Amino acid sequence: NAGVMQNPRHLVRRRGQEARLRCSPMKGHSHVYWYRQLPEEGLKFMVYLQKENIIDESGMPKERFSAEFPKEGPSILRIQQVVRGDSAAYFCASSPKGEFVDSSYNEQFFGPGTRLTVL
Amino acid sequence: GNSVTQMEGPVTLSEEAFLTINCTYTATGYPSLFWYVQYPGEGLQLLLKATKADDKGSNKGFEATYRKETTSFHLEKGSVQVSDSAVYFCALIRTARQLTFGSGTQLTVLP
Repeated sequence: NAGVMQNPRHLVRRRGQEARLRCSPMKGHSHVYWYRQLPEEGLKFMVYLQKENIIDESGMPKERFSAEFPKEGPSILRIQQVVRGDSAAYFCASSPKGEFVDSSYNEQFFGPGTRLTVL
Repeated sequence: GNSVTQMEGPVTLSEEAFLTINCTYTATGYPSLFWYVQYPGEGLQLLLKATKADDKGSNKGFEATYRKETTSFHLEKGSVQVSDSAVYFCALIRTARQLTFGSGTQLTVLP
């Protein structure tokens, strides 16, 4: 059973270019989360998506960043006009469902990440 | 808002030494608490979890107890191995579906 897959693993872009990061959730998972890890920091939540819906984008920068999870295909995190401050590791996680009931927890399984370097 | 504070690193230990990595949290209500481990070049793996007060999570010799009175979830291992060298993250989740992470602690175990 394949885990969460992300590609590319490493991405180099020059300032002003676009970056597209892909995430394929685990089989049977319909919920996807994106996190960003800046150098020497912990992961910060960016966005939570279900198929064709953005559920929570409270951690997304207001400009240049967008995310989608279409009915078919992987989830895409898109960064337009990248700047050096966007250099980071971007992690995707998936879970079988997103509802949080009482003290139960639906584990988020993480992919290996995409390391974006902006020159 | 929710936050997690964990022990600053890096931590360097000799093989078979005792490990403690401190973690405290701030959250309303009753969060679930987690420790994740990140090996070099890889994504995060769930190491252990606890979903209510006084629960003890354990896995691969690691343990952590959910202490509501001190809002803590310290990670411990009695005898570390070189293969335990990694970055360890404490995290919580509350009613929102987003995990809140601490800044991570780099552990290096020397043979």
